[in-house]
Amino acid sequence: DGGITQSPKYLFRKEGQNVTLSCEQNLNHDAMYWYRQDPGQGLRLIYYSQIVNDFQKGDIAEGYSVSREKKESFPLTVTSAQKNPTAFYLCASSIRFRERKLFFGSGTQLSVL
Amino acid sequence: GQQLNQSPQSMFIQEGEDVSMNCTSSSIFNTWLWYKQDPGEGPVLLIALYKAGELTSNGRLTAQFGITRKDSFLNISASIPSDVGIYFCAGPGAGGTSYGKLTFGQGTILTVHP
Repeated sequence: DGGITQSPKYLFRKEGQNVTLSCEQNLNHDAMYWYRQDPGQGLRLIYYSQIVNDFQKGDIAEGYSVSREKKESFPLTVTSAQKNPTAFYLCASSIRFRERKLFFGSGTQLSVL
Repeated sequence: GQQLNQSPQSMFIQEGEDVSMNCTSSSIFNTWLWYKQDPGEGPVLLIALYKAGELTSNGRLTAQFGITRKDSFLNISASIPSDVGIYFCAGPGAGGTSYGKLTFGQGTILTVHP
């Protein structure tokens, strides 16, 4: 079955540590996205990629980094510069950028030790 | 940037009741989307609306694209326990740095008591 796989489901970060969240899709979608979700708030866009080897900052990119070396993979690194990393992180993809229908993964809950 | 305001923020209802929620925008949209998020999972698209005044159903769900193009409504009829979750509205950016990107409302949390 086609879909988006995020791993791990739960992740813990120590002070000063970088952690990487994995996102893989087998939908053959060009565009991929990372969103952050905090309780009581909507989804906020961190980074997005329109095509392979391209990515752009979203609304809250500070303290995060991404890469898009393969079409199916869009990993997110939460760096030590992100001072409030505890959140639910969602990866999504769409057939192409500006396509309104996004398909989401099941999310990664990141917590700080 | 543009904002989407959803109301109510939360709802506690009895099984079998109907549910209504809405979303308003500070700017005109040409597309409205409604997503549902089950606890601990990613959102799933329920309904997409593309034209002012459009009324679209998906089973017990009905959504409408407001005539002003600044609002949208979602109704759930005869609620059941599996309707529990967070319902999000979303719309595309109007222009500038928001162009092509979706903006999400803060969500309506629905609790259904058996």
